[in-house]
Amino acid sequence: AQSVSQHNHHVILSEAASLELGCNYSYGGTVNLFWYVQYPGQHLQLLLKYFSGDPLVKGIKGFEAEFIKSKFSFNLRKPSVQWSDTAEYFCALHFGNEKLTFGTGTRLTIIP
Amino acid sequence: GAGVSQTPSNKVTEKGKYVELRCDPISGHTALYWYRQSLGQGPEFLIYFQGTGAADDSGLPNDRFFAVRPEGSVSTLKIQRTERGDSAVYLCASSALGPPGELFFGEGSRLTVL
Repeated sequence: AQSVSQHNHHVILSEAASLELGCNYSYGGTVNLFWYVQYPGQHLQLLLKYFSGDPLVKGIKGFEAEFIKSKFSFNLRKPSVQWSDTAEYFCALHFGNEKLTFGTGTRLTIIP
Repeated sequence: GAGVSQTPSNKVTEKGKYVELRCDPISGHTALYWYRQSLGQGPEFLIYFQGTGAADDSGLPNDRFFAVRPEGSVSTLKIQRTERGDSAVYLCASSALGPPGELFFGEGSRLTVL
């Protein structure tokens, strides 16, 4: 079965630091990949998605992610984080008509 | 409505009791999903509706769990004979299309089974 791995469980950074959160998946076919974010006290919302085309996708709030098929990865990046980026980040995988499968999430804490 | 609405936001019940959780999706969204999120875990798929029918119920853990969407809008997740292990946040999401469209999530119903 397909799966999504997020190896960073909790990341702590200072404001203005650069961010990279890892996401790896296991599935050999064509996939659609997503990053969702959950800010404290709020619902899950879409940050960005990759379906096809340019493997570097840009999302809201300055986030971007790069799909590297050979590495089965879809890492999330941001060049300079802000305190307001404190949240939990979930990578998710979809293929065919199957349901969206989520990783275990990475809690990001930004220190002012 | 403006977003996905879930009620109740919090539910505390005793082991063995019956529980219903309600989801009101975004108006016009034909696809509706239920997920369950335990502490420290990502959302775990339970069931997906396209219209009134359950297109995929492979995530329901056992026959104590059941969900309906009789008119293709509001959905109810029903849990019989609750167990302590059922304690989790139950998330509902809707989408204008089926997979792989963007899912719009509600804020969840936190279920605690004592």
